[in-house]
Amino acid sequence: QVQLQESGPGLVKPSETLSLTCSVSGYSISSDYFWGWIRQPPGKGLEWIGRMYHSGTAYYNPSLRSRVTMSVDTSKNKFSLKLTSVTAADTAVYYCSRGFYQAFDPWGQGTLVTVSS
Amino acid sequence: QSVLTQPPSVSAAPGQKVTISCSGSSSNIGNNYVSWYQQLPGTAPKLLIYGDNKRPSGIPDRFSGSKSGTSATLGITGLQTGDEADYYCGTWDTSLSAGVFGGGTKLTVL
Repeated sequence: QVQLQESGPGLVKPSETLSLTCSVSGYSISSDYFWGWIRQPPGKGLEWIGRMYHSGTAYYNPSLRSRVTMSVDTSKNKFSLKLTSVTAADTAVYYCSRGFYQAFDPWGQGTLVTVSS
Repeated sequence: QSVLTQPPSVSAAPGQKVTISCSGSSSNIGNNYVSWYQQLPGTAPKLLIYGDNKRPSGIPDRFSGSKSGTSATLGITGLQTGDEADYYCGTWDTSLSAGVFGGGTKLTVL
């Protein structure tokens, strides 16, 4: 069965770049479906960050578009998220997921990223 | 402020039925598939409904989804204490060219 696992620094300084990787097992990232990132600030709701296909076509949340980049590494069956110029407002649990029918399933367990000096 | 509007909370007794609404517009719910997620405390969201009304394998038929115009509804029958969770709706917004989620609804099983 497909499984996803987020990895990356748990602490990022303000103004720096947040970088996360999602490792996919049990399914080829080059196959059908799209791959996405979603975040959840502590005690708040879900926020859609972006999604992309292995072809490279990507869509981003308009409120984050100027700071977000997603990429796919088919050779390693992984995809990544970069968010530049972070502030405390970017502190959240970040989830990666596989997408289809405009839905996400399954989800990784999530990784907490704190932005603080 | 979320693009999709959900009630902050709903409650019902064990064994009863509850519905959770998700209101949007023609640029999102009105013309795109809706999905629903259950998030138990301290865990990642879990897909309950996709394609407006389809259940993934393993999701009991106590959970159902429907859509009419620019609103969608999640129904849960035979409520159990284990159903206490936050529930989110999601879809694509054609105008934004981005996905959107509702603000979430906390279900309390009294």
